[in-house]
Amino acid sequence: QVQLVESGGGLVKPGGSLRLSCAASGFTFSDYYMSWIRQAPGKGLEWVSYISSSGSTIYYADSVKGRFTISRDNAKNSLYLQMNSLRAEDTAVYYCARWAIVATCTFDYWGQGTLVTVSS
Amino acid sequence: QSALTQPASVSGSPGQSITISCTGTSSDVGGYNYVSWYQQHPGKAPKLMIYEVSNRPSGVSNRFSGSKSGNTASLTISGLQAEDEADYYCSSYTSSSTLNVVFGGGTKLTVL
Repeated sequence: QVQLVESGGGLVKPGGSLRLSCAASGFTFSDYYMSWIRQAPGKGLEWVSYISSSGSTIYYADSVKGRFTISRDNAKNSLYLQMNSLRAEDTAVYYCARWAIVATCTFDYWGQGTLVTVSS
Repeated sequence: QSALTQPASVSGSPGQSITISCTGTSSDVGGYNYVSWYQQHPGKAPKLMIYEVSNRPSGVSNRFSGSKSGNTASLTISGLQAEDEADYYCSSYTSSSTLNVVFGGGTKLTVL
């Protein structure tokens, strides 16, 4: 079955950096676009970034552009999010999600999330 | 503030039907048939329940249905069960952003 397992979250000071990872299994990772989506405490969902199956196409939300970098390693079935210059407003649970192929504009599988807390 | 507007909470008794609305604009919900709905239990990953307005993924109960009228999409849950108590989020394609999916703020469903 499809599994997405995030790791790498934790407590970091403002201005600090963190690298999130997402280990994928149960499907051909290299066939799928992947995304990071976050959820601030008590808030709704926000799409952060996505990367095409080959890694050649990448987009970011304006709120993280220039600070976050998404990447993937298809040989390792892994997705990454390098987060630099972190701010308090980046505090959230970060989810790794698979962009569906058979459905349009839909995330068909999500991980359980990893919590990032930015605080001094 | 989320791009799509959902009620903060809805409630219903077991066996009843409830509807959760998701209101956007002609640039998203109203302009395209690409509305999805996700269910999220506390501490769990979101689960896709409806895609492309009214399609159910394999394995999702037929008690869940979706529809759209104008700029408002709706998720209806019939025969409410205790296990349906969760947060529900809508999303839609949007022509207004490079990251062309926007989410609603979420609705907490309470089964009384």
